Amino acid sequence: KAGVTQTPRYLIKTRGQQVTLSCSPISGHRSVSWYQQTPGQGLQFLFEYFSETQRNKGNFPGRFSGRQFSNSRSEMNVSTLELGDSALYLCASREGTSAQETQYFGPGTRLLVL
Amino acid sequence: AQSVSQHNHHVILSEAASLELGCNYSYGGTVNLFWYVQYPGQHLQLLLKYFSGDPLVKGIKGFEAEFIKSKFSFNLRKPSVQWSDTAEYFCAVTYSGNTPLVFGKGTRLSVIA
Repeated sequence: KAGVTQTPRYLIKTRGQQVTLSCSPISGHRSVSWYQQTPGQGLQFLFEYFSETQRNKGNFPGRFSGRQFSNSRSEMNVSTLELGDSALYLCASREGTSAQETQYFGPGTRLLVL
Repeated sequence: AQSVSQHNHHVILSEAASLELGCNYSYGGTVNLFWYVQYPGQHLQLLLKYFSGDPLVKGIKGFEAEFIKSKFSFNLRKPSVQWSDTAEYFCAVTYSGNTPLVFGKGTRLSVIA
């Protein structure tokens, strides 16, 4: 099976702009989670979607939002970008929502905000 | 808030040395524990995981980890490291009730010849 794919891989934006990142999970996986990875804070959970419904949300401002489509593909959007939003954004998928299920990660989208 | 602590930020070892990376999690009830590895330029991938049963779990590439409930710890070990083990290692936990993965801040391992 193909792994988790994320597009684009690299992105440069300026402050105040908005950005949309895309994630395609492994075939058959219905749960998609998003994480932000920075050198200072490490990996922080943004949100999780399952069957088009948000199931969990991390402690991020409302500028960060997401959605999931009927084919399980997911997008996350960041509005009014700030310099501190520069990070690697990782998407992970799993079949269901059991806490024991392994999450499989994509390569990430590296966002640079100037 | 639930948290995971990884005590070592950067570890430098010579090839063939033994490795132990510390991981402690905050108490939150029944836990599921994971170690992930991120090789330079590659995806995060699972090394091993623990849910229940034998507290000593074996993973890929010769890694193992021991769950010590009384110490809230899940340390990663490898008897003899190789240059190819150079990577960043992340400990992570989920709790019962479908909480999201909570990661430690990672330990960067550099293996030198």
